[in-house]
Amino acid sequence: GAVVSQHPSRVICKSGTSVKIECRSLDFQATTMFWYRQFPKQSLMLMATSNEGSKATYEQGVEKDKFLINHASLTLSTLTVTSAHPEDSSFYICSARDPGKSSYEQYFGPGTRLTVT
Amino acid sequence: GESVGLHLPTLSVQEGDNSIINCAYSNSASDYFIWYKQESGKGPQFIIDIRSNMDKRQGQRVTVLLNKTVKHLSLQIAATQPGDSAVYFCAENRNAGGTSYGKLTFGQGTILTVHP
Repeated sequence: GAVVSQHPSRVICKSGTSVKIECRSLDFQATTMFWYRQFPKQSLMLMATSNEGSKATYEQGVEKDKFLINHASLTLSTLTVTSAHPEDSSFYICSARDPGKSSYEQYFGPGTRLTVT
Repeated sequence: GESVGLHLPTLSVQEGDNSIINCAYSNSASDYFIWYKQESGKGPQFIIDIRSNMDKRQGQRVTVLLNKTVKHLSLQIAATQPGDSAVYFCAENRNAGGTSYGKLTFGQGTILTVHP
């Protein structure tokens, strides 16, 4: 089956610094990737849709200047949390859609645990 | 924004019992639904999906039922095992076209605990 990886799996950073999270599709080319955030004991909230070769589409309430998304190739999307603060601590999960399969099926990465101290 | 302090519904069953997890969705235009299983510290794992032109779909030990009249979705797990313990989420694709194409909206989630 389709595999999506994320790196790093967990990261701790100091307040005010920036952190980059990578999302890779390993065995298929993903024209569209999605970034979600999940707080403890809560559901996944879509942050943005990342399209290869074009600007990301952000959901309402998500600051595009704080959460920078780059989808420079068909197998890699990155999310950079800029000037991170403790309230940005969360579980960040990406997913990718395989254009060769069902239009709506998404394959999820294992997630990245971000802790801002 | 997120609901602070929200507690997920819980379901506790004995090993071997059948489990039924329910989900209500709000958008009558949604045309595709998925159930995901999420274990602690991991990403969601696909279980089963169903399109809106169906009312039932079966997989291995799992069945999804869709009632469009009352906008209700359920996941039935037969002979539940301890390894089934996880959080289960339903997700819907809201067929609003344009920028909503392919975007999933996740439900609240249910914590399933299976006791040996």
